[in-house]
Amino acid sequence: GQQVMQIPQYQHVQEGEDFTTYCNSSTTLSNIQWYKQRPGGHPVFLIQLVKSGEVKKQKRLTFQFGEAKKNSSLHITATQTTDVGTYFCAGPQETSGSRLTFGEGTQLTVNP
Amino acid sequence: GAVVSQHPSWVICKSGTSVKIECRSLDFQATTMFWYRQFPKQSLMLMATSNEGSKATYEQGVEKDKFLINHASLTLSTLTVTSAHPEDSSFYICSARDWGHPGAFFGQGTRLTVV
Repeated sequence: GQQVMQIPQYQHVQEGEDFTTYCNSSTTLSNIQWYKQRPGGHPVFLIQLVKSGEVKKQKRLTFQFGEAKKNSSLHITATQTTDVGTYFCAGPQETSGSRLTFGEGTQLTVNP
Repeated sequence: GAVVSQHPSWVICKSGTSVKIECRSLDFQATTMFWYRQFPKQSLMLMATSNEGSKATYEQGVEKDKFLINHASLTLSTLTVTSAHPEDSSFYICSARDWGHPGAFFGQGTRLTVV
């Protein structure tokens, strides 16, 4: 079945350093979504990418969708302590686009 | 943005009892809602898709007789964990999509502890 893999599983950075998490799907995706889950909280939608090679920015966050629409990345420039949390990518299932398959997530900790 | 409310946020129950978790879309109608299970430091595993007015669709390996789902209205889905056992202890989260919005809105989650 469809698999969505994410690396790294954990990332510890000093405040001000950059951070990147990578997402790879075993199948071509119609779109990819990114979510952030703060410790003890619930996932919050960040963005959706649809087009091949698409790049979107949200302040210090840059999201990319690969040309083959099978991989994606999230890059945070100059991390802050408020960036702490787990970042998940998610792709629609082949059999039902409304159902999402989530990656394993990358847990980011930021040392002040 | 749209709000999905989940209740209770945490519950402790005795082994063998049943627990009901509610998921409500507060300011939009949701014909479909989704139930996930999340173990500590792990990803969200889709358990089932809740369909308003019809039977839920369960993912492979999820026991439908154990995890009863009811979606009686356009704003409410319930998950009942029947005859709960300690291995059912987990974080259960629901989500719903609002028409025209690309992403899913999640409830606050319910932390279930079975003792």
